[in-house]
Amino acid sequence: GAGVSQSPRYKVAKRGQDVALRCDPISGHVSLFWYQQALGQGPEFLTYFQNEAQLDKSGLPSDRFFAERPEGSVSTLKIQRTQQEDSAVYLCASSGPRARNQPQHFGDGTRLSIL
Amino acid sequence: KNEVEQSPQNLTAQEGEFITINCSYSVGISALHWLQQHPGGGIVSLFMLSSGKKKHGRLIATINIQEKHSSLHITASHPRDSAVYICAVNYNTDKLIFGTGTRLQVFP
Repeated sequence: GAGVSQSPRYKVAKRGQDVALRCDPISGHVSLFWYQQALGQGPEFLTYFQNEAQLDKSGLPSDRFFAERPEGSVSTLKIQRTQQEDSAVYLCASSGPRARNQPQHFGDGTRLSIL
Repeated sequence: KNEVEQSPQNLTAQEGEFITINCSYSVGISALHWLQQHPGGGIVSLFMLSSGKKKHGRLIATINIQEKHSSLHITASHPRDSAVYICAVNYNTDKLIFGTGTRLQVFP
């Protein structure tokens, strides 16, 4: 594809429901990042994959958050038993290998609202 | 804690004005990024730099490694430049640490 694709663009869920957010990175990009952006704030790191390996999950705020990338391409961020503080825009970004020396390409994000 | 500080938080300008947005960071980095975010969320990478200066059209980014400081300049600003500009760094890791952004509004 031409760019990073995220779905859904908008998700409304009731508190306590589970949600799954999808990211389809640029074809061939081995590095994939998830970030969380609260309203009026800069994005904050959640987790990072290189191919199918989750190399860093230090930013996941609780054990309710889980991410996977089983085949090294599409990634899913799952949030279980959602809480109101989970409301945010979830951004996915991808890049080539040696990500610290390359620009990251961002999707349009999924705006999650928990009622 | 490794942080990224941006200033100003909000900036208003008249069309044609020269704009400067500043970014400072705390320790050594492998790269600094300037990003643009329009309403609706999409983030576009403008520059990635580790030294010196880069220019693209009316945009110029500079970095001073000794002072741990970077600036983004917009010459001859235009209403379509209105967006949030975000500074982000790689603190010798692959993940990005972001500033809180500068909201720029350019009026005709």
